[in-house]
Amino acid sequence: KAGVTQTPRYLIKTRGQQVTLSCSPISGHRSVSWYQQTPGQGLQFLFEYFSETQRNKGNFPGRFSGRQFSNSRSEMNVSTLELGDSALYLCASSLEVAGKEQETQYFGPGTRLLVL
Amino acid sequence: GNSVTQMEGPVTLSEEAFLTINCTYTATGYPSLFWYVQYPGEGLQLLLKATKADDKGSNKGFEATYRKETTSFHLEKGSVQVSDSAVYFCALSRVANQAGTALIFGKGTTLSVSS
Repeated sequence: KAGVTQTPRYLIKTRGQQVTLSCSPISGHRSVSWYQQTPGQGLQFLFEYFSETQRNKGNFPGRFSGRQFSNSRSEMNVSTLELGDSALYLCASSLEVAGKEQETQYFGPGTRLLVL
Repeated sequence: GNSVTQMEGPVTLSEEAFLTINCTYTATGYPSLFWYVQYPGEGLQLLLKATKADDKGSNKGFEATYRKETTSFHLEKGSVQVSDSAVYFCALSRVANQAGTALIFGKGTTLSVSS
C-alpha cells in the first residue's frame, strides 16, 4: 500500500506570494493533518481535516488555510508569505474504524518551503 | 496544557552502546504516547507507541514503557547501530473533547552513532 505522498517536495517563493501544497493520504485513510516543522519552534500542529471538514485547528494565523476533497486528498494554502513561513510542511493521515479514530498518524516526506 | 519534554541533544554514542532518550509529558486525561524517528531529508516514521499505562511499545530493538506514575515514556535500545543515527521525537496525542487528534511533539533529540 502506498504511503502518504506530498507535492511538491521543494518550493521557493518570495514574500507576499501565496502557495498551495498537496497531500494524498494512505488509501482508506480519511483523516489528514498538517504540521509545520522549523528549527526554532519544532513540530507544530496546523489543522486536521476529516470528511471534507476541518475538525481541529492549531494556533496559526488565518493566512494558513486548508481543505479536503471527497477523495480525502488535502491541500493547504498559505497566503501573503512571510520569511518566517520557511519550513518543512508535513502531512499525516490516520484511519478511522467504526467511528473510532485511530490515533496513529502516518507522515509523508514533507514539502520544504523557502521564502525569500 | 499538554506538553512533552525531551532530553536535549545531541546524543553521541559508539556502535553497540546502550541508548536512553528521556521523555516526560504533561497531559489531562489518558493520552497515547509515541516515538517517531526522522532520518535526514525525510518525514517522520512511527517507531513505536503505547496507548495505556504500563504498556510497552517495541520495534527494531527499541522499547519504551508508558509510566503514568512518573509521566514518562523513555526510549531505550540495548545496542545502537550507525544506521540508528537520526532525530527522535516523543509525542502524545492530544486528548480533546471534540473528535479528532493532534499530536504534540517534543523538540526532538539528535542521535549520532559512530563506528
